[in-house]
Amino acid sequence: DQQVKQNSPSLSVQEGRISILNCDYTNSMFDYFLWYKKYPAEGPTFLISISSIKDKNEDGRFTVFLNKSAKHLSLHIVPSQPGDSAVYFCAASKGTGTASKLTFGTGTRLQVTL
Amino acid sequence: GAGVSQSPSNKVTEKGKDVELRCDPISGHTALYWYRQRLGQGLEFLIYFQGNSAPDKSGLPSDRFSAERTGESVSTLTIQRTQQEDSAVYLCASSFRQGYEQYFGPGTRLTVT
Repeated sequence: DQQVKQNSPSLSVQEGRISILNCDYTNSMFDYFLWYKKYPAEGPTFLISISSIKDKNEDGRFTVFLNKSAKHLSLHIVPSQPGDSAVYFCAASKGTGTASKLTFGTGTRLQVTL
Repeated sequence: GAGVSQSPSNKVTEKGKDVELRCDPISGHTALYWYRQRLGQGLEFLIYFQGNSAPDKSGLPSDRFSAERTGESVSTLTIQRTQQEDSAVYLCASSFRQGYEQYFGPGTRLTVT
């Protein structure tokens, strides 16, 4: 039972353009969402997060959008840079205020081409 | 400062043998997590520690898996009588008590032959 889904296993974007990575979830109890980036042979690195009380959070080139009614979130990277090439994981947790386990999607491999 | 470290980075073992994987969290992080990632799959939660206690062991796949944490620091994940399906990258993460942002180590790649 995959509660967090990333339906696109890969995405290729030209440098300078916008990258949009999508994530869907099924569990309405999730109230906190995160994006992690992973390079080969390294652990995932936290990128950006959003609480369910918000619909947008922005940090530099990265913006996460949350549509609770659709149970959908997306990560926008603009402008995309070659160093952004990595696997991006969407994750969700429930239980505001406590550190709790993350449920991860299967990842989307982003390739930013020159 | 030092991040989360894990050892060994790679482990090859024969089916049926026991293995121990170690995680050193970021100093001061009271929460510690173990995940695994099998080939082509997402990260799968295994167990979570708050301090030295494990309030959530729901992800451990079988009783061959166990974990402990001591001194609110180092954690060890033990897999007994390893099977080929245990082959995966085992990732450890830590976080502040109240925080959601989990910081991951580089992982241990376990291969069971």
